[in-house]
Amino acid sequence: GAVVSQHPSRVICKSGTSVKIECRSLDFQATTMFWYRQFPKQSLMLMATSNEGSKATYEQGVEKDKFLINHASLTLSTLTVTSAHPEDSSFYICSAREHPANYGYTFGSGTRLTVV
Amino acid sequence: GQNIDQPTEMTATEGAIVQINCTYQTSGFNGLFWYQQHAGEAPTFLSYNVLDGLEEKGRFSSFLSRSKGYSYLLLKELQMKDSASYLCAVRDHNTDKLIFGTGTRLQVFP
Repeated sequence: GAVVSQHPSRVICKSGTSVKIECRSLDFQATTMFWYRQFPKQSLMLMATSNEGSKATYEQGVEKDKFLINHASLTLSTLTVTSAHPEDSSFYICSAREHPANYGYTFGSGTRLTVV
Repeated sequence: GQNIDQPTEMTATEGAIVQINCTYQTSGFNGLFWYQQHAGEAPTFLSYNVLDGLEEKGRFSSFLSRSKGYSYLLLKELQMKDSASYLCAVRDHNTDKLIFGTGTRLQVFP
């Protein structure tokens, strides 16, 4: 089946630094990827929709200058958390639609970000 | 906008049956998904409903009523490993976005 590889799985960074998270679709082309964040004991909150070759679409309340999304190819989308602060510590997950004719979504394995 | 509600927590006994409800109000509905998620892991797909009715898959079944904006996930013959969070998610017809509900943490006791 379709696989989305997400790296890193865990990262600890200092306040003020930037962290990049990558999601790659390994065996299919993903024209659209979605980025979510999840706080402990809460559900997934959609942050933005990443479109290959164009600007990402951000959900209301998500700072686009803080969470930079780049989708430069059909198999790679990146999320960069800029000038990270402790409140950015969270679980970040990407997902991709497997195929227009397939209703399924494939999720990456998630990235646990801790900002100290 | 989207508004998707689930009970926050549920408990059940091993071997029992549990029903997790999900109510939604959306502007453009194009299917409802149920996912299971263990702590620190990605969600795993359980079921998909786009038409009214019951979809059965082994120990898990999912029901949808579009007119009522209501779905439930039924788990039979509960096992300890079923202790997890269960998330319902609605796909938006226009944007293809998958919007998640509040999630239900299920604890199965022996």
